[in-house]
Amino acid sequence: KAGVTQTPRYLIKTRGQQVTLSCSPISGHRSVSWYQQTPGQGLQFLFEYFSETQRNKGNFPGRFSGRQFSNSRSEMNVSTLELGDSALYLCASRAAGGGRGGNEQFFGPGTRLTVL
Amino acid sequence: LAKTTQPISMDSYEGQEVNITCSHNNIATNDYITWYQQFPSQGPRFIIQGYKTKVTNEVASLFIPADRKSSTLSLPRVSLSDTAVYYCLVGGLTGGGNKLTFGTGTQLKVEL
Repeated sequence: KAGVTQTPRYLIKTRGQQVTLSCSPISGHRSVSWYQQTPGQGLQFLFEYFSETQRNKGNFPGRFSGRQFSNSRSEMNVSTLELGDSALYLCASRAAGGGRGGNEQFFGPGTRLTVL
Repeated sequence: LAKTTQPISMDSYEGQEVNITCSHNNIATNDYITWYQQFPSQGPRFIIQGYKTKVTNEVASLFIPADRKSSTLSLPRVSLSDTAVYYCLVGGLTGGGNKLTFGTGTQLKVEL
């Protein structure tokens, strides 16, 4: 079974621009979560989508948004990019339930975003 | 939010048992404890998850005392390939995403 895929793997943008990242979950997984990873802040939860609906949300500004399609693929959008948005953006999928507590997630390789 | 604290780094040798402890003093009643492993340029990989007492799978054990204010990931007989960053995660997506708190990670280095 293919793993979680993310595109693109690397991206360079300038301040003020917007960016869209894509994630394809493992086949059959309906939940997709997004995370931001930086050296300073570590791994931070952005949001989770399940059956095209945002189900959980972390503490990020409204510039960070996402959506999920009927085939469970998900996109994340960041508008008005700031230098501090430079990070590795990780997508994770899980099967229904995800184990008790819901934390058995499968991560993709990430998209490395650099904002200049 | 549950704040987690882990050692920044640990060193070990092949064949030894490694125990990494995570402190989470204000863990909530519904929170689970999960550990992930991450190699450079890769996403984290699920290792083990538990709520209380002891959980064991084919790669690790997780020990959680009765007060649940800490947890210990135990890796038996580590090898060079276990060199990675290990993250403790407290909370749970089913309990509300805004309660997910990752630890700062422990860099484990295994040598011959």
